[in-house]
Amino acid sequence: DVKVTQSSRYLVKRTGEKVFLECVQDMDHENMFWYRQDPGLGLRLIYFSYDVKMKEKGDIPEGYSVSREKKERFSLILESASTNQTSMYLCASRWGQGAAGELFFGEGSRLTVL
Amino acid sequence: GENVEQHPSTLSVQEGDSAVIKCTYSDSASNYFPWYKQELGKGPQLIIDIRSNVGEKKDQRIAVTLNKTAKHFSLHITETQPEDSAVYFCAASRRAAGNKLTFGGGTRVLVKP
Repeated sequence: DVKVTQSSRYLVKRTGEKVFLECVQDMDHENMFWYRQDPGLGLRLIYFSYDVKMKEKGDIPEGYSVSREKKERFSLILESASTNQTSMYLCASRWGQGAAGELFFGEGSRLTVL
Repeated sequence: GENVEQHPSTLSVQEGDSAVIKCTYSDSASNYFPWYKQELGKGPQLIIDIRSNVGEKKDQRIAVTLNKTAKHFSLHITETQPEDSAVYFCAASRRAAGNKLTFGGGTRVLVKP
């Protein structure tokens, strides 16, 4: 089974702190994604990566950056956390090219920014 | 860009009844439409998907229909069971979109025993 592991299930940070959310997948998938989940808004794409050291902006990249130094690991970085970044963050991975194909999600990281 | 709207936002059904969730999309070039189920405390999981060259697809108690002309697609769950209680998300994408799925806002389904 594909496993996508997010390092922290729950985090509480203060405004202005730098936050790292880590994600690791074990199935050698080329593509990795970071989504943000908010009630009523569904899942919104923050960033994605289709290869090591490659990244593309999603729909809501402002205030976030990402890093993919190894194929299995994709990190989301909040340089200076703000209260409006309080949310559930979901990492996902997928094999292959193109937009079709199953996304495998981690269990999510719930971030609260005070 | 693509916009996907999903209705209803909440749905309560009696066990054994059917549940229907509807989504509309804006980009006529979209050609891939998956549905994901998210159980409490877990990440979403793909339950069924359909491509634009197919009008309907079934998998046991779950079916999805696609109307390309009207730009809408629906998820049908028959003979609902308590384990069908979850949040369901529809999504749409197109080949030229660069790996990007656009999700609907989600539907919270509660199956009452």
